[in-house]
Amino acid sequence: AQSVTQPDIHITVSEGASLELRCNYSYGATPYLFWYVQSPGQGLQLLLKYFSGDTLVQGIKGFEAEFKRSQSSFNLRKPSVHWSDAAEYFCAVGPRSYQLTFGKGTKLSVIP
Amino acid sequence: GAVVSQHPSWVICKSGTSVKIECRSLDFQATTMFWYRQFPKQSLMLMATSNEGSKATYEQGVEKDKFLINHASLTLSTLTVTSAHPEDSSFYICSARDTSGPSTDTQYFGPGTRLTVL
Repeated sequence: AQSVTQPDIHITVSEGASLELRCNYSYGATPYLFWYVQSPGQGLQLLLKYFSGDTLVQGIKGFEAEFKRSQSSFNLRKPSVHWSDAAEYFCAVGPRSYQLTFGKGTKLSVIP
Repeated sequence: GAVVSQHPSWVICKSGTSVKIECRSLDFQATTMFWYRQFPKQSLMLMATSNEGSKATYEQGVEKDKFLINHASLTLSTLTVTSAHPEDSSFYICSARDTSGPSTDTQYFGPGTRLTVL
């Protein structure tokens, strides 16, 4: 069975600092991997996705993520965090986008 | 592109009544839509998968007679919560699967519907 672990429940960073959100997955074959962001009371917005090819993927809002097969990881990074990045971040994995399994989420707080 | 709308964004109803939530893919056709439920400070729980023109597939533990799903067209799926009770109060989110191209295959999410049952 596929699974996703987001080890950090809550992360606090200062505005302008770099950010890395961790995501580890368990899946038998090459997975489809996604990062979504959710602001309070809102739906999920797609940040980026990995299907195949270049293991470093660029997304919206200056985010990027790197697929590391050997570590079963798909960590999300941003070089300089803005106050508007404060939100909940979800990592998801699936055979395609049909049956996604979501992590429990990481809440990001940004200190001005 | 890839916009999914949901209506209403919030609804308050009395116990015992039924509530219908609509989910629309605005700029793509979606043969598959999904309905999730999210409890406060928790992740998404998949309730059911809705395929256009066929019966929905419900996850284990989800009452199909309480949560009626209809996917009558390639751009519209509806979730009806029948005989709602306070324990059905929650945040319901739909998503639509875009498979229009070789590099797509992504779920796009609606903004969610906050249901409060009094």
